Amino acid sequence: NAGVMQNPRHLVRRRGQEARLRCSPMKGHSHVYWYRQLPEEGLKFMVYLQKENIIDESGMPKERFSAEFPKEGPSILRIQQVVRGDSAAYFCASSSTGKGEFSPLHFGNGTRLTVT
Amino acid sequence: TQLLEQSPQFLSIQEGENLTVYCNSSSVFSSLQWYRQEPGEGPVLLVTVVTGGEVKKLKRLTFQFGDARKDSSLHITAAQPGDTGLYLCAGAGYNQGGKLIFGQGTELSVKP
Repeated sequence: NAGVMQNPRHLVRRRGQEARLRCSPMKGHSHVYWYRQLPEEGLKFMVYLQKENIIDESGMPKERFSAEFPKEGPSILRIQQVVRGDSAAYFCASSSTGKGEFSPLHFGNGTRLTVT
Repeated sequence: TQLLEQSPQFLSIQEGENLTVYCNSSSVFSSLQWYRQEPGEGPVLLVTVVTGGEVKKLKRLTFQFGDARKDSSLHITAAQPGDTGLYLCAGAGYNQGGKLIFGQGTELSVKP
């Protein structure tokens, strides 16, 4: 499967635990984006990364959330000390360039995080 | 802050009817993309419109980008039950990389 791979598909965490969401972009893509989707809402931008660099993290809460895209391996979205309000579907997308108008995003099928 | 207002939020129609979904903003976008999302899956790109006034057709779907590049519409002719899904518009700003601003989505249900 050459598409964007996200795992796990479903993740259940108790309040206060850590959640780690993984994303492997499409082959050849070096630009990764994380979005969050709540029921009956559109997708909200969180962070944009290019290999080893955070390009734009303007949509990511400053506390408890972090993201990385190492030279080797998948991109990781990490949520520390989860709270019920973190329950949502988290989508990763990748593109071949950083020019959105010419390089559309390819989305994974998301990780559905439930905080109990 | 750039915002995209999408309407209607919900739409339930009979097979064979026509419909239009609107996406409006006070901001100018370099391009507008339309995605379709099925339950439990990620959004899938339908089309990208780049030029003001541009019209693109994809079988029974017609997409238009406003002359001022602030709004877009999606028109479906003779809707089929297979068209059921969540339709999302997304705008790309200038010099924003691949960061997209999404509308809230239109949940379309086409009944046979």
